[in-house]
Amino acid sequence: KQEVTQIPAALSVPEGENLVLNCSFTDSAIYNLQWFRQDPGKGLTSLLLIQSSQREQTSGRLNASLDKSSGRSTLYIAASQPGDSATYLCAVPRSNTGKLIFGQGTTLQVKP
Amino acid sequence: DGGITQSPKYLFRKEGQNVTLSCEQNLNHDAMYWYRQDPGQGLRLIYYSQIVNDFQKGDIAEGYSVSREKKESFPLTVTSAQKNPTAFYLCASSIQGRSLYEQYFGPGTRLTVT
Repeated sequence: KQEVTQIPAALSVPEGENLVLNCSFTDSAIYNLQWFRQDPGKGLTSLLLIQSSQREQTSGRLNASLDKSSGRSTLYIAASQPGDSATYLCAVPRSNTGKLIFGQGTTLQVKP
Repeated sequence: DGGITQSPKYLFRKEGQNVTLSCEQNLNHDAMYWYRQDPGQGLRLIYYSQIVNDFQKGDIAEGYSVSREKKESFPLTVTSAQKNPTAFYLCASSIQGRSLYEQYFGPGTRLTVT
């Protein structure tokens, strides 16, 4: 049974710092991995989708990597800003379906 | 603007009443999903639909029902049989119900039952 874990549950950093958020999964036979951002009381915003054949994806200051063999993905945020403060969730699909299995999320606070 | 809309944003109901949450998308996506989010438990799948007039139960379908009569609409009914309905409900869609495709989420509906 696939399980997705995100550690730490919360993270606080000063503005300008580069940071890494972690996501691990127990079954390496994934089709892809998706990173989301959620602001308090809001829906999820898709940040990056990495297909199983890819090693990384980049969007602006965000870079997501995928290592299937070790069951890990990281989301790298460069030059963090207070506006990056949110909860970040990773998710993988169950088998070859669209049913996502989510991690518990990492709540990030970037202090000015 | 293409996207997913959910209404209402906040919903209050008395225990024992059924309530229907709306989800509409204009992305021309075939697949739609309903998730429930509780503090400390992450998101859990309630129901999903890969095509019009077809839907399947997710992990926590008990006490919920759905319909998919139109491609763009996937309403969720929370029935009185749902023992703990207070939660944040999120609707999502993707091009198809396959793993290749990115999922997009609506803004959510917060349901409070007293």
